[in-house]
Amino acid sequence: DTGVSQDPRHKITKRGQNVTFRCDPISEHNRLYWYRQTLGQGPEFLTYFQNEAQLEKSRLLSDRFSAERPKGSFSTLEIQRTEQGDSAMYLCASSFQGDADTQYFGPGTRLTVL
Amino acid sequence: QKEVEQNSGPLSVPEGAIASLNCTYSDRVSQSFFWYRQYSGKSPELIMSIYSNGDKEDGRFTAQLNKASQYVSLLIRDSQPSDSATYLCAVDSGYNTNAGKSTFGDGTTLTVKP
Repeated sequence: DTGVSQDPRHKITKRGQNVTFRCDPISEHNRLYWYRQTLGQGPEFLTYFQNEAQLEKSRLLSDRFSAERPKGSFSTLEIQRTEQGDSAMYLCASSFQGDADTQYFGPGTRLTVL
Repeated sequence: QKEVEQNSGPLSVPEGAIASLNCTYSDRVSQSFFWYRQYSGKSPELIMSIYSNGDKEDGRFTAQLNKASQYVSLLIRDSQPSDSATYLCAVDSGYNTNAGKSTFGDGTTLTVKP
């Protein structure tokens, strides 16, 4: 496997439910990023990790969102008490510090909140 | 004012023509600049990165950077219908070249007509 993978690819949930997404980065990459993208907009930064440390979190990110990268490899993004406004494509990217942080994206998880 | 600005388009060019995509950014200390291509319903795919003033060529693609004018562009020569996509400009966080976070524009939609 040479690319970033994300699971699931699609998620439909009802308002108020919790959802969790997983991202597996390129194996030698030490940085991992989460973005959110809605139709007609560019990816919006949510948070990023260097190894297992969460170094930055967007000020726009609600407390309902939490992300982890416990062993510095895969990461999870959890959204609690989902709202219809959370419907979006959630993108994960990874990079290797020292490669000018060139980021490579996974296929994304499309979330639909009913 | 958005941090990264792109013309939303749509930009339409005939097959074989040169497509010119433009991007301006607000953070003067940004160091790394990226162009991504995104097909409808898919995740962004890296096309080019550029770090120094001037031109950088890769096949049919040429990225141009002018840090004094805070301007980066992408030229696509001999445009093909398969180039029809949304092109995203991304700029690093600037305040620390190792900080990792990228800010994206909202993209320019390109249509290449056969």
